[in-house]
Amino acid sequence: NAGVMQNPRHLVRRRGQEARLRCSPMKGHSHVYWYRQLPEEGLKFMVYLQKENIIDESGMPKERFSAEFPKEGPSILRIQQVVRGDSAAYFCASSKGAQGEQFFGPGTRLTVL
Amino acid sequence: SQQGEEDPQALSIQEGENATMNCSYKTSINNLQWYRQNSGRGLVHLILIRSNEREKHSGRLRVTLDTSKKSSSLLITASRAADTASYFCATDTGNQFYFGTGTSLTVIP
Repeated sequence: NAGVMQNPRHLVRRRGQEARLRCSPMKGHSHVYWYRQLPEEGLKFMVYLQKENIIDESGMPKERFSAEFPKEGPSILRIQQVVRGDSAAYFCASSKGAQGEQFFGPGTRLTVL
Repeated sequence: SQQGEEDPQALSIQEGENATMNCSYKTSINNLQWYRQNSGRGLVHLILIRSNEREKHSGRLRVTLDTSKKSSSLLITASRAADTASYFCATDTGNQFYFGTGTSLTVIP
């Protein structure tokens, strides 16, 4: 049973470029959550999606950040025009249902030069 | 296997009582964090305690860390019905981030 998969594991971008982070949920899971973790800090919730729907994006910055979870394929977290402050670890989690246990992926570590 | 394990798995108390949850882990950590999850919502970060700290307070929350026993506890004082949720500990080893299995807390009004 493959767990939650994220790729790339490490991503380096220059200021102003775009970053695309992918998350493939566990088989049978249709709910995906994205979190950001700054060094030595806890996870901060960003967005919660179901297939083709954004359920809760209260933790997402209003500009430059977007997320999608299409009918087919992985969930994508997209950061446009990255800045140094975007450097962080980005984790996604998936669950079977809205009240199900969340299973976390290994994270993508984004470094903005 | 997952690093963190919490006990009890479920806890039910009366409003106003204190709730204590425990978390055990297996390897050395940089820090340990506690999270709350309300049904159908994302995790909410409650408190982070570093490996060189023994105790930390935040409002009605008190967290202890015993690195020799590889365990932590979360105490919620004067509980409220709104504290009803699942509580998870997470360990950050620097290379990996692990969540425990969670404690389901029910506070009865």
